[in-house]
Parts: sequence; C-alpha cells; structure tokens
Amino acid sequence: DAGVIQSPRHEVTEMGQEVTLRCKPISGHDYLFWYRQTMMRGLELLIYFNNNVPIDDSGMPEDRFSAKMPNASFSTLKIQPSEPRDSAVYFCASSFGGMGGELFFGEGSRLTVL
Amino acid sequence: GENVEQHPSTLSVQEGDSAVIKCTYSDSASNYFPWYKQELGKGPQLIIDIRSNVGEKKDQRIAVTLNKTAKHFSLHITETQPEDSAVYFCAARKTDSWGKLQFGAGTQVVVTP
Repeated sequence: DAGVIQSPRHEVTEMGQEVTLRCKPISGHDYLFWYRQTMMRGLELLIYFNNNVPIDDSGMPEDRFSAKMPNASFSTLKIQPSEPRDSAVYFCASSFGGMGGELFFGEGSRLTVL
Repeated sequence: GENVEQHPSTLSVQEGDSAVIKCTYSDSASNYFPWYKQELGKGPQLIIDIRSNVGEKKDQRIAVTLNKTAKHFSLHITETQPEDSAVYFCAARKTDSWGKLQFGAGTQVVVTP
C-alpha cells in the first residue's frame, strides 16, 4: 500500500483566501484523523471520522475550519477564510480500529498564510 | 481532558549511549500509551506502545516502562545510533475515547557520532 497520501505538500496563500487540503487514507482503514502541528501547540487533533462519519470535531479551532469525508478513500480539510495564524503543518492519519489503534500518518501539508 | 507532559524537550547523546524520555499523564482512565518518532519532513511513525495491563515492553533497542500508580511512562533507547536522531512523542488515550490520542510536546533527540 502507498500509505496515507496528502496534497498539496506545500501551500502558500494570502490571508483571506480559501485553502483546501486533501487526504487519501490507507485502503481498509475505518478511522481518519486530521492533526495540526505547530511549534507552540505541538500536535493537536482537529477532527476524526469513523466510517466516513465525523465523531469528534471539538478540536476544530473555529467556524472557518471544516472537514468532510464523502467516501472511504477521500477527505478534505478546508479553511475559509485563511489567516496567518493558521500557518502550520496539517497531518492526515488513518487507522484500523480492529488493530489496536496505530495511527498511520501522511507526510503532511505545510501551509503558510501571508 | 487528558494532559500529557514530556521531558526533556531536547536531548543530546553520544552514539552508543542510552537515551531516556519521560512522560506523565493526568487521567487515571488512560490505558494506552504509544510512542511516535518523527523524522524531519515526515509524519510521526509508531515505534512502540504499551497498554495499562503491562509494566514493560521491549523491541530490540527500544523499551517502554509504565508506572500506573505514579501515572508516568518512559521510553528507553539503548546503544543509540545516528539514525535515532528525530523528534519523539509520547501519547495517552482513554478507553472511552478511542480516537483521541493526547500527545506530549515532543523531545528532540540528537545523537552525535
């Protein structure tokens, strides 16, 4: 398997623009997670899905952030409008609930908002 | 919610020496404690984990210990090698919150030849 695939790897945008990050989980995994990593706050869980259904979005910082999982092989994290404080590395991870919970992370999308 | 504290934030060791990273957690309901290694430019990767019914677990040069009474767990790396240089994260999870891993702040380990 190719692992968790994220795109884009790097995104530079201007404040106020819409940003869409994409994730393809490992085939067969039933959990999908979005994390944000910054120097100040470390790794923060934003939202996670089980069988395409959002289970917990309490980590989503504000209404500017939204996430969807229309099918088992695709998820998006959208920020609209973006702000400089959203600059971070966003990781998608997937997991198979029946195997004890190891998270398989993608390589991340580095977002810079100017 | 769960709070995980990790120390030290940076650790420099000579190749061949041992490295120890310590974490404490706040919620006694936590029962799963993984360790992830993150290399530069990559996502974190699980290296070892331990569950609350076990006190110690080893995998080659890596070992993890858990003290439930004191609510702390540690990662031990023996015979360190340059490829062990990375950021290491501990994490904790409760039984009733399967999806919610709480990560520590991370430890930057540098192994010098």
